[in-house]
Amino acid sequence: AQSVTQLGSHVSVSEGALVLLRCNYSSSVPPYLFWYVQYPNQGLQLLLKYTTGATLVKGINGFEAEFKKSETSFHLTKPSAHMSDAAEYFCAVSEGTSYGKLTFGQGTILTVHP
Amino acid sequence: GAVVSQHPSRVICKSGTSVKIECRSLDFQATTMFWYRQFPKQSLMLMATSNEGSKATYEQGVEKDKFLINHASLTLSTLTVTSAHPEDSSFYICSASGPKGYTFGSGTRLTVV
Repeated sequence: AQSVTQLGSHVSVSEGALVLLRCNYSSSVPPYLFWYVQYPNQGLQLLLKYTTGATLVKGINGFEAEFKKSETSFHLTKPSAHMSDAAEYFCAVSEGTSYGKLTFGQGTILTVHP
Repeated sequence: GAVVSQHPSRVICKSGTSVKIECRSLDFQATTMFWYRQFPKQSLMLMATSNEGSKATYEQGVEKDKFLINHASLTLSTLTVTSAHPEDSSFYICSASGPKGYTFGSGTRLTVV
């Protein structure tokens, strides 16, 4: 069975500061990992995904994440936060395929203050 | 490319009535559609997985007779909430599996009064 844990339901940063959103996963097979962003009353937008290959994945809007198998982690970072980054972020895992059902973490609400 | 259109975006219905939510993949064929439910300030919980032309597979604890899913074509899947009650009020999101991975609909806010 697969599971995802996001550490910290709320993260608050200043504009221009580093963003770090933490995600740890559990999977019985090599995982496919995703980060999504959700704005209020909207669907999910894919930020980035890890399938195979390079462990440092670059996504949209300056976000990137690093897959660390030894730590079972897939933390999301952005060097400099922008006000428009304020949203809820979800980490998700799919076992063994990039097209199977996703299991989501609990979500992290990112607040960016001036 | 890879757009999923979900309608309606918001719906308010009376308790006891049924509501249908549609998801259409506009520019690709979605062989698999996933339906999620999201309670306020909570994560997405998978309700069911549907493959075109087959019966949906429901997650444990999801009432198949209450949440009817139809995936009759490669571009359309529907979720019908039957005999809706206030506790069914939630945000429902579909996701289609296609050539570019998962594409999510914009969600439907259902309020049952």
